[in-house]
Amino acid sequence: GENVEQHPSTLSVQEGDSAVIKCTYSDSASNYFPWYKQELGKRPQLIIDIRSNVGEKKDQRIAVTLNKTAKHFSLHITETQPEDSAVYFCAASKTGTASKLTFGTGTRLQVTL
Amino acid sequence: GAGVSQSPRYKVAKRGQDVALRCDPISGHVSLFWYQQALGQGPEFLTYFQNEAQLDKSGLPSDRFFAERPEGSVSTLKIQRTQQEDSAVYLCASRRSTSGVTGELFFGEGSRLTVL
Repeated sequence: GENVEQHPSTLSVQEGDSAVIKCTYSDSASNYFPWYKQELGKRPQLIIDIRSNVGEKKDQRIAVTLNKTAKHFSLHITETQPEDSAVYFCAASKTGTASKLTFGTGTRLQVTL
Repeated sequence: GAGVSQSPRYKVAKRGQDVALRCDPISGHVSLFWYQQALGQGPEFLTYFQNEAQLDKSGLPSDRFFAERPEGSVSTLKIQRTQQEDSAVYLCASRRSTSGVTGELFFGEGSRLTVL
């Protein structure tokens, strides 16, 4: 089955700096890669996703890059703000109605003033 | 409701007790997933329903875990004879699922189970 590894497990940045979280996956058939943000005690919420037919996707301060050859993808947050502090999870799956997401172990991002 | 609703939000059980966790998915969502999230870990897949059919239960850790979705909407995850290692947050998620396309997965707030 799919295995997703995520690094780092914790990340502390100063407000305004950039943050980068990296994930690798094992199943070359995976072609959908979402990122979820989970605040303490709250539900995971999708913040951005990318499909394997593109190498990069951007949404305001958030971008995701995908390298299918190397089987890794990354989340980039620019101009970080205190409200970006949360746990971020990467995930991978194949497309299809029955496809299940396999999650990474999470990165706790803390943005300090 | 507007989102995925789960109940109870918190459940404390004594070891050996049975528990039942309920999930109300977003109306019209065909796909429903259950995930288990241990403290400090990512969600781990338990089981998947497409309407009322349980198509994948490969993630259920033992035969003490049972899930159903009899009418294709509300789902219940039942854990029999709870053990301390069952302590976790149980997340339910639903997806509209257009055939051949992976849509956004919407999560509930979870049910936090503590087994004493």
